Amino acid sequence: SQTIHQWPATLVQPVGSPLSLECTVEGTSNPNLYWYRQAAGRGLQLLFYSVGIGQISSEVPQNLSASRPQDRQFILSSKKLLLSDSGFYLCAWSVRGGTVSENIQYFGAGTRLSVL
Amino acid sequence: AQSVTQPDIHITVSEGASLELRCNYSYGATPYLFWYVQSPGQGLQLLLKYFSGDTLVQGIKGFEAEFKRSQSSFNLRKPSVHWSDAAEYFCAVGGYSSASKIIFGSGTRLSIRP
Repeated sequence: SQTIHQWPATLVQPVGSPLSLECTVEGTSNPNLYWYRQAAGRGLQLLFYSVGIGQISSEVPQNLSASRPQDRQFILSSKKLLLSDSGFYLCAWSVRGGTVSENIQYFGAGTRLSVL
Repeated sequence: AQSVTQPDIHITVSEGASLELRCNYSYGATPYLFWYVQSPGQGLQLLLKYFSGDTLVQGIKGFEAEFKRSQSSFNLRKPSVHWSDAAEYFCAVGGYSSASKIIFGSGTRLSIRP
């Protein structure tokens, strides 16, 4: 069965420090991968999605970047964190090129980032 | 423009009472609709989905949802809520292609009154 892992679960970072959040998927190949941010009391904002290694699409201009160095690994980064980067970050995957019934996103447990 | 509206930010119901969470969508093609649930500090879990066929779909944990094309709605229902149903619920819409993005509503927080 497929599983998705995110780490760390919780992170407290000072303003101006770098960031690296990692997401890995097991049990599937060539997945679509997604990074979302959820601000307190808000819905989900799609930040990045990837349909393959090295293929990253950015949805909103921001202080963050994403990379996909391996097929099932998706990394969210920042060189210098801002206070506004605080939030709950969720990674998700879906089957690439699957049938319509497979067009479902499966989410990790999330990373709570607090920038102080 | 594609969008999902959940008009209720927060709902409180008594344990054992029935529940209906509202969802309206705007989508330019045939929609693929979802309800997800998020417990505090956790990721999202899929409750149910609709992409074709019977407009009343059954999901996990006793939830069901009805697709009404004429009203562009996909409301979530449960006949009798349990305290463990307290969570945030998200409605979402996507397309049939696996490359389609899924657009989420802003969520409805459900509280259960003992």
